[in-house]
Amino acid sequence: GAGVSQSPSNKVTEKGKDVELRCDPISGHTALYWYRQSLGQGLEFLIYFQGNSAPDKSGLPSDRFSAERTGGSVSTLTIQRTQQEDSAVYLCASSFYGTGNEEAFFGQGTRLTVV
Amino acid sequence: KQEVTQIPAALSVPEGENLVLNCSFTDSAIYNLQWFRQDPGKGLTSLLLIQSSQREQTSGRLNASLDKSSGRSTLYIAASQPGDSATYLCAVKGGSEKLVFGKGTKLTVNP
Repeated sequence: GAGVSQSPSNKVTEKGKDVELRCDPISGHTALYWYRQSLGQGLEFLIYFQGNSAPDKSGLPSDRFSAERTGGSVSTLTIQRTQQEDSAVYLCASSFYGTGNEEAFFGQGTRLTVV
Repeated sequence: KQEVTQIPAALSVPEGENLVLNCSFTDSAIYNLQWFRQDPGKGLTSLLLIQSSQREQTSGRLNASLDKSSGRSTLYIAASQPGDSATYLCAVKGGSEKLVFGKGTKLTVNP
């Protein structure tokens, strides 16, 4: 695709429910990142994929959070048993890797509200 | 642990003014530094990428410099316009491969 695509753009869920957030990276980009931005806060790193593997998942806040990437393309971030503190904008980015030009491009984000 | 600081946190200027946004980082062992802008309720738009071997990059009215040894970068905006109003973020990529972000500078350009 032309850019990084995230869906849904907005999600309202009840506390305790599971949610899945999707990211379609730019075609050919091997690196994929998930970040979280809470209201008035900076960008918090969650997880990084190189191909289908996740060399760095150090930013996942708890075991309720998981992510996978299939076919070196689409990635899904799953939050189980959502809590109110999970409310934030979840941003995905992709880039080439190892090419010397690793400019990262971000999607528009998914705004998650847990009520 | 890499830490990125952006000063000032907020800046308000009249239209037409030239301005400089600052970014500093604690670990000089970086691969690249990237400047982004974020409009309210939107994602991040990439403005400029500077590789660790480069000193500066230019795009239109924007010029970004990098002094890796001192851990500093500046984003220069010439002849600012109201449409430049946004939050500007800098991010560095090091050996861990992840981008580490500053908290941003919120710029307001007044007509």
